[in-house]
Amino acid sequence: QQQVKQSPQSLIVQKGGIPIINCAYENTAFDYFPWYQQFPGKGPALLIAIRPDVSEKKEGRFTISFNKSAKQFSLHIMDSQPGDSATYFCAASKGGAQKLVFGQGTRLTINP
Amino acid sequence: DAGVIQSPRHEVTEMGQEVTLRCKPISGHDYLFWYRQTMMRGLELLIYFNNNVPIDDSGMPEDRFSAKMPNASFSTLKIQPSEPRDSAVYFCASSTLPGQGAYEQYFGPGTRLTVT
Repeated sequence: QQQVKQSPQSLIVQKGGIPIINCAYENTAFDYFPWYQQFPGKGPALLIAIRPDVSEKKEGRFTISFNKSAKQFSLHIMDSQPGDSATYFCAASKGGAQKLVFGQGTRLTINP
Repeated sequence: DAGVIQSPRHEVTEMGQEVTLRCKPISGHDYLFWYRQTMMRGLELLIYFNNNVPIDDSGMPEDRFSAKMPNASFSTLKIQPSEPRDSAVYFCASSTLPGQGAYEQYFGPGTRLTVT
């Protein structure tokens, strides 16, 4: 119940395409869902986050879609660029707790 | 602010040796986390502290691992004795809880540990 399942493991998209990364969770107590972006040799950094009271959140070219009934959420990257090539992690936490449960990560490659 | 600082950035040691990883959190942050990242297991939370007190150490793999936070600006993760399966990138992160309840964990650059 503590797991967050992320797919796909890797994804290759042409520049300008819209990569979509999906995550699913079981624990209905989760109430905070961030996405982290990690470049090679660096630590993860918060990209965007959502709470379950909204179904969608946009920040620039990044959008989180949230489906509470299906217990799924996804990250969409509009007009993807080679600079977006990185590993993306979804995560979840519950009840304002600081402890995050991370998905396995998706290695995204945007080809020029 | 310089962000979360970790040292060393790379550590190569022989099996059986003691390894100590160090972390300086962002000033003013009252939560500190230690993570381990491997290809097989992804990003795993090992332990986290609040106001220098360990809150959850359920992710610590075994007694060979220990972590301390003697003050608000310093934490260590120690492995004694080290084993080849401990080879991984170890991240330290820190955070604080804003009034609205949303928070962000700030990660350090990591320590790449290789145990031969």
